[in-house]
Amino acid sequence: QQQVKQSPQSLIVQKGGISIINCAYENTAFDYFPWYQQFPGKGPALLIAIRPDVSEKKEGRFTISFNKSAKQFSLHIMDSQPGDSATYFCAASRLGGGNMLTFGGGTRLMVKP
Amino acid sequence: NAGVTQTPKFRILKIGQSMTLQCTQDMNHNYMYWYRQDPGMGLKLIYYSVGAGITDKGEVPNGYNVSRSTTEDFPLRLELAAPSQTSVYFCASSYSGMEKTQYFGPGTRLLVL
Repeated sequence: QQQVKQSPQSLIVQKGGISIINCAYENTAFDYFPWYQQFPGKGPALLIAIRPDVSEKKEGRFTISFNKSAKQFSLHIMDSQPGDSATYFCAASRLGGGNMLTFGGGTRLMVKP
Repeated sequence: NAGVTQTPKFRILKIGQSMTLQCTQDMNHNYMYWYRQDPGMGLKLIYYSVGAGITDKGEVPNGYNVSRSTTEDFPLRLELAAPSQTSVYFCASSYSGMEKTQYFGPGTRLLVL
């Protein structure tokens, strides 16, 4: 079974701090690794994504670090803000196969003012 | 451009009843998906479709059926509702090919009593 394992399940960070969420995968056929952000009562929305040909991708305060040999990737949120409080999901997809995503279990982030 | 719309937003069903969850997208996406999200858990793929007339099972298809007669619509059918189907259901769509971003609807909260 294809799996993506995500940790921690919950995270509390002070405003201005760095939030770090980690994911590990098993299937080496995965070639696309997105992070989705979900606010209460809403559907998930794409935050940032990376492909395995690069080790890092940065968009504003959000950075994905990717370690292909370890089969791990992580999301770093710099200068965390209360508005970043949400649930974050990592996911993985392989080439073809209807672009199906396998999701991690999610991390509930709370940023304290 | 409304994106992905889902109806109803919330429904209470009695055990054994049936219902159809509606999903429509106006982005001309070929691929569409149904997920369920249980409290504190990630998203599990129920069914997906790569085009009109083509559907396939995901990770948790038991107890559900789908059809795809048009590009825009992808309804999910529950034939004999069970308490285990209490969940939040999300529909999503994406382009085919290398652009893998999935766009999610707002979700349908279903309670089976």
